[in-house]
Amino acid sequence: AQKITQTQPGMFVQEKEAVTLDCTYDTSDQSYGLFWYKQPSSGEMIFLIYQGSYDEQNATEGRYSLNFQKARKSANLVISASQLGDSAMYFCAMREGRGAGGTSYGKLTFGQGTILTVHP
Amino acid sequence: DAGITQSPRHKVTETGTPVTLRCHQTENHRYMYWYRQDPGHGLRLIHYSYGVKDTDKGEVSDGYSVSRSKTEDFLLTLESATSSQTSVYFCAITGGGEQFFGPGTRLTVL
Repeated sequence: AQKITQTQPGMFVQEKEAVTLDCTYDTSDQSYGLFWYKQPSSGEMIFLIYQGSYDEQNATEGRYSLNFQKARKSANLVISASQLGDSAMYFCAMREGRGAGGTSYGKLTFGQGTILTVHP
Repeated sequence: DAGITQSPRHKVTETGTPVTLRCHQTENHRYMYWYRQDPGHGLRLIHYSYGVKDTDKGEVSDGYSVSRSKTEDFLLTLESATSSQTSVYFCAITGGGEQFFGPGTRLTVL
């Protein structure tokens, strides 16, 4: 079974509008972390936002927010006021297991990504 | 920006030749990772390290070996490159919390 599922291969949004990129995950761990990364056409992986499984508040970073619904096992990325520079591939990823200190800490499992295109 | 560099950034090689990719960090982080990125697969973990001389296999480790003799350097070796190892390779580091990626190495095996 897929551990991270991104069901939207491609999304389109008008400039200045908000867009939600979907991510669902599967884990039996109680402690885990969820990440979103942006990959522009230049190829680098840019960290956007992180949500820990025990965090009660949804994570926010500027125009990015993570809509964390634990019971549904979803961690959708919301981008407000889209800009042309937001056009890129977006990856959701999960880190399972205990906190830093263990030997297997930090291994990420990625979804297949969503290509976001922002139209002027 | 996290201090991670990868070298080389681009490499073309022939089937059967050995290849070593280097990841260098200036953050003194304990954990380092090698991923590969292929169309339709997202990023997949090859090997990782949880300290100097401490390494373990990831999801797609066949055909790869790693070494970490210093905190700052994590090497990925393809002993005998094959065309299926044509990919983009990313190194990543974490000290806890966020995980940051290097700029990537594009490897082509002819």
